[in-house]
Amino acid sequence: GNSVTQMEGPVTLSEEAFLTINCTYTATGYPSLFWYVQYPGEGLQLLLKATKADDKGSNKGFEATYRKETTSFHLEKGSVQVSDSAVYFCALPSGNTPLVFGKGTRLSVIA
Amino acid sequence: DAGVTQSPTHLIKTRGQHVTLRCSPISGHKSVSWYQQVLGQGPQFIFQYYEKEERGRGNFPDRFSARQFPNYSSELNVNALLLGDSALYLCASSLANTGRGHNYGYTFGSGTRLTVV
Repeated sequence: GNSVTQMEGPVTLSEEAFLTINCTYTATGYPSLFWYVQYPGEGLQLLLKATKADDKGSNKGFEATYRKETTSFHLEKGSVQVSDSAVYFCALPSGNTPLVFGKGTRLSVIA
Repeated sequence: DAGVTQSPTHLIKTRGQHVTLRCSPISGHKSVSWYQQVLGQGPQFIFQYYEKEERGRGNFPDRFSARQFPNYSSELNVNALLLGDSALYLCASSLANTGRGHNYGYTFGSGTRLTVV
């Protein structure tokens, strides 16, 4: 089935630094791709998605571009804030599985 | 409107016991899916129900079962609990089934934290 691999964390950045969290996928066809975020003690929230190749998803200053040439969907943000501290998950559907998640990348932003 | 509601938020069980977790989807959503998230890992798919029928099952033992009621709420049951079942159990709801569900999105609840001792 389809799968994703995302970079291991934790990632620690200073406020206003540039963020990249790598995600690569293995898939049959071109499924939709997602980034979810999990704040401490909470469930998952959809951060952004892209439904076809070359699409760019964006939300709250975060962006990710669906690149079929490199089978990647890297998450980026130009200037992180302390409030962005959370765990980020890359995900995609696979067969009858609504979402297959990566292992998650913990981001800590320090003031 | 209320989001996805899960209950209880926390519980502690002893090995060998059984547990029932509950999920109420967003009003109008007909699909509910369940995930297990072990500490430090990504969520793992357990079940999906749509219109009260099972539409998908992950790689979990038969000790795990679920059902969906006419009002689209759902229960996840786990029998003969093991220490390894300790996890955050997440429920997600959507308007539609797998495949089309992504056109509408999945909304997650805050989860039930199960500890087996």
